[in-house]
Formats: sequence, structure tokens, C-alpha cells
Amino acid sequence: KAGVTQTPRYLIKTRGQQVTLSCSPISGHRSVSWYQQTPGQGLQFLFEYFSETQRNKGNFPGRFSGRQFSNSRSEMNVSTLELGDSALYLCASSTALGARGYGYTFGSGTRLTVV
Amino acid sequence: QKEVEQDPGPLSVPEGAIVSLNCTYSNSAFQYFMWYRQYSRKGPELLMYTYSSGNKEDGRFTAQVDKSSKYISLFIRDSQPSDSATYLCAMKRGGSEKLVFGKGTKLTVNP
Repeated sequence: KAGVTQTPRYLIKTRGQQVTLSCSPISGHRSVSWYQQTPGQGLQFLFEYFSETQRNKGNFPGRFSGRQFSNSRSEMNVSTLELGDSALYLCASSTALGARGYGYTFGSGTRLTVV
Repeated sequence: QKEVEQDPGPLSVPEGAIVSLNCTYSNSAFQYFMWYRQYSRKGPELLMYTYSSGNKEDGRFTAQVDKSSKYISLFIRDSQPSDSATYLCAMKRGGSEKLVFGKGTKLTVNP
């Protein structure tokens, strides 16, 4: 069974540019979440999508956005990149719905460096 | 006060030692508690999942949740060099898919 696939694995961008990251969840998983991981802040929740609808959003500026397609694949976009956006961006998928949830399966992440 | 606090370590132990990793939290609404292991340049991998209070054992790993104290623990018995990684606690409320993570504890098991 294929895991969560994130592309690209590594990315270098210049301040002010925008970037799009892609995530393919485990087949049959309809919920996709995105997290930002930095040494200073750890793992922080960005947003969660289920059936093409954003259900939850973390405390990030509007420069961070995402979407989910009908096949559950998801993309996140960061516009007007800042140096502080350099991080590992992780995608996780789950079949859970609300109350009786269980842990997510994470991809290996996209390492974004902003210069 | 952060919702989840975890000692970042680093923690260094000899092979075969019992390792104890802990997190405290402030949000009494958390009902689901998880431990993840993250190797360098990899995503987090789920180790243990616990609903509400109690103990759960899986091989060399034991997870404990004490909701009255808002304290969770992960014990690793007979630790191995392959256990060297960063261990992250995570938790969430019922009805929410948002995981709140501790910052992680870096563990090194020396042969």
C-alpha cells in the first residue's frame, strides 16, 4: 500500500516568490492536513481538508492557502515568500472523521528554503 | 503557556536502558494522545495511540495517559541504537482533526 507522497522533496525559492507543494494521500483517505515544522516552533498545524472543503485552519497568515481536489490530492501555496517560511512542510492523511480518530500517516515532507 | 510542553533533551542512554519520555498539556479538552517517532529527514511515524486515560503496551513501548494530571508518558524498554530519533507527543480534541504537537525530545541510544 503506497504511503503519503509529497513533491517536490526539496525546493529553494527567493524572497517574494510563491511556491506550490503537492501531496497525494493514501488511497481511500479523504482527510489531508498540512503542518509546518521548524526548529524553533516545532510542528504547527496549517489547515485540514476533507472532501475538497477546508474544515480547520491554523494561525497562519493568509499567504498560506491550500486546496483539495476530487481525488483527495492536495496542494498548498505560499505567496510572497519570506525568509521565515523556510521549513519542512508535512502532509498527513487519515480516514478518521471526528470523534473516534486515530493517528495520521505523514509523508516525508517538502524542505523549503527561502533565500 | 503553550498547550503542550515537552522537554527537548537531548537524551543520551546506553543500549538496553529504559527510556522515559514525557509531555504535559494544559487543554483539558484533549482526548486523543499519540506518540510519533521521527528520524532525520523523514516524516513522523505513529508509534502509539491512546484514547482518554490509561496504559497501552506494544512490544517494547508503553504509553501512559493521566488526564487528571494532564501528563502523558512513553516508556521504551531494552532500548536499541535503532531507537535513536526524535520523539514527538501529539494530542487532539474530539471532533477536531488538528493535532497539537510537543516540540520533540531527541533521543540517542549508544551501543
